[in-house]
Formats: sequence, C-alpha cells, structure tokens
Amino acid sequence: QKEVEQNSGPLSVPEGAIASLNCTYSDRGSQSFFWYRQYSGKSPELIMSIYSNGDKEDGRFTAQLNKASQYVSLLIRDSQPSDSATYLCAVNFGGYQKVTFGIGTKLQVIP
Amino acid sequence: EADIYQTPRYLVIGTGKKITLECSQTMGHDKMYWYQQDPGMELHLIHYSYGVNSTEKGDLSSESTVSRIRTEHFPLTLESARPSHTSQYLCASSADRVINTEAFFGQGTRLTVV
Repeated sequence: QKEVEQNSGPLSVPEGAIASLNCTYSDRGSQSFFWYRQYSGKSPELIMSIYSNGDKEDGRFTAQLNKASQYVSLLIRDSQPSDSATYLCAVNFGGYQKVTFGIGTKLQVIP
Repeated sequence: EADIYQTPRYLVIGTGKKITLECSQTMGHDKMYWYQQDPGMELHLIHYSYGVNSTEKGDLSSESTVSRIRTEHFPLTLESARPSHTSQYLCASSADRVINTEAFFGQGTRLTVV
C-alpha cells in the first residue's frame, strides 16, 4: 500500500506570514509530486507540480522536494485570507499506479 | 482549464432508485478515478481505471459499480440508492506518462438521497 502522509491541521498563520505545509511518501521510486488547493465545497485544483529535487517557485508558492528523505513541502509567502483552504499533497508512483492523495492540511490565515 | 465534465452537478433522489453519475474527459487520459468526499473530510478513492475494460475497487468500500468501455467515459452506477450514499462524488483523470501526470478533477456531483 503506497502512502502519502500529511498533518490534517488546522494550521493557523497570521496574514502576511509564511505558511509551511509538509508531506511524506512511502515509495522511494515515486516520480511526480503535486500540491492541490481545495476550497470548501469545491473540487481540488492543481497549484504546483515538482519532479526533481530542489525548489520550484511560482509567485508566492514554492514547492520543495527531497527524494532522499521522501519529503515534499509547500511554502506560501505573504499568506492571505484567501489562501485559507485545504491543501492536498499527491504523488504519482508511476506505471499503472494511480495518483495517490494525502488527507490534506487545513490552512487558516488569520487577518 | 481541465476538460473533464460531470453530470449532473446536483441530484436529489428517493431511496431505492437507480442512478448513474456521468464523467467524461476529452484529454485522452488512460487513468480515471472516482472519489467520495463528505463535507470537511478527506477524499476517499472508491474506483480506479487504468484503461479501457480495466477497473478496480479503491481504498473505500462502495456499493457503486463502474464501467470503462470507452477511454473518455467512466460512469458510476448505484443500483439502489440509500441515504448513506449522500455525499459529493468527484471524478478525475490523469495521463500515463513520465511528466505532466497530475490529476484533473471535474466539478463534482452532489448527491442527496432522501
């Protein structure tokens, strides 16, 4: 059973702070890693994808991947109340394996 | 924008009725998924397909069934709806390749069984 683990939260940060979301995965051979944002009552939407070790930046979002530690994280700089949502980590283990989601971390940005 | 569509968006139906939730994608993706999600709760995978005529049960036991006769179409059927089936059902698809393998979601079907 390939697993993706996240802390369910809630993670509360003040407006303007950096929010740090973390995820670990069980299969060292995993190939692709994703972060999704899900607002209440809506479908998950992709916000970041990362395939190689290191950092990938897109606006206020930075994804970090460390394959040796089987760890992927998402940093949100200058957090806004509109960032309040559940953030889902997902991993593609490759081949016929499905994309597997973690339980999601609920983020609350306090004005 | 993802080209994956679910119908209906909302469905209220009586106990014992047979229902089919439709999901179609125009991206040519081999992999398709059905998830069940209650408000404020995690996604639960109930069905997975990695190609035509291939389906398997997901992590959460479900009384629903699926079929995959065409690549683009992955309907979910409940033979006899019960109030315990009330939930949001999300369909997703992803490609079978090395990169750009993220899952795309439809807008969901919110099912209420009365």
